[in-house]
Amino acid sequence: DAKTTQPTSMDCAEGRAANLPCNHSTISGNEYVYWYRQIHSQGPQYIIHGLKNNETNEMASLIITEDRKSSTLILPHATLRDTAVYYCIVRGDNNAGNNRKLIWGLGTSLAVNP
Amino acid sequence: GAVVSQHPSRVICKSGTSVKIECRSLDFQATTMFWYRQFPKQSLMLMATSNEGSKATYEQGVEKDKFLINHASLTLSTLTVTSAHPEDSSFYICSALGLGPGEQFFGPGTRLTVL
Repeated sequence: DAKTTQPTSMDCAEGRAANLPCNHSTISGNEYVYWYRQIHSQGPQYIIHGLKNNETNEMASLIITEDRKSSTLILPHATLRDTAVYYCIVRGDNNAGNNRKLIWGLGTSLAVNP
Repeated sequence: GAVVSQHPSRVICKSGTSVKIECRSLDFQATTMFWYRQFPKQSLMLMATSNEGSKATYEQGVEKDKFLINHASLTLSTLTVTSAHPEDSSFYICSALGLGPGEQFFGPGTRLTVL
């Protein structure tokens, strides 16, 4: 079972920030939070990951609460091309054993509207 | 980032035939690849872990004799759906582990339709 819970769907206006929440209350100390997205009929695309500090890259920002039980993915200026299913996944940050596996929930279907 | 390709991107076949799907890491070597299946409006379900030079590890409930996996080189893993049936129609996605910690790169997927 996925170790995260996300809202089923969200809407966002084009040009506005999209804030996608994720709960991971059972996360353990050495587990990272990863975010992927999947545009319709395509393979998943890596967005960002973090442990406890906030992270930012060219795609998005990741805000992790101090207790690490939840996080928020922020797309600062959403475009129509950001319409996709966004997955929040918790896993260890190495490629050993079961840390290699990604357990996928149903994600959040984000619709960016003109 | 690293690129993973899949071939074909979509395939339609008759019931009872076998279909081979290729997954290639184009600019890096991948000792470990994964095969997923995704039904409409559902999430990705891991089918098996493909290990170069050794047997694949299948997830519970996945028939290893029906979904044959071969990982004969560091850049190629193949999934063969044998004696395909309409219920095997799905979106098949592969991924490859990168060298960096936690790196995993996904292919574009293959849409299989069994008539």
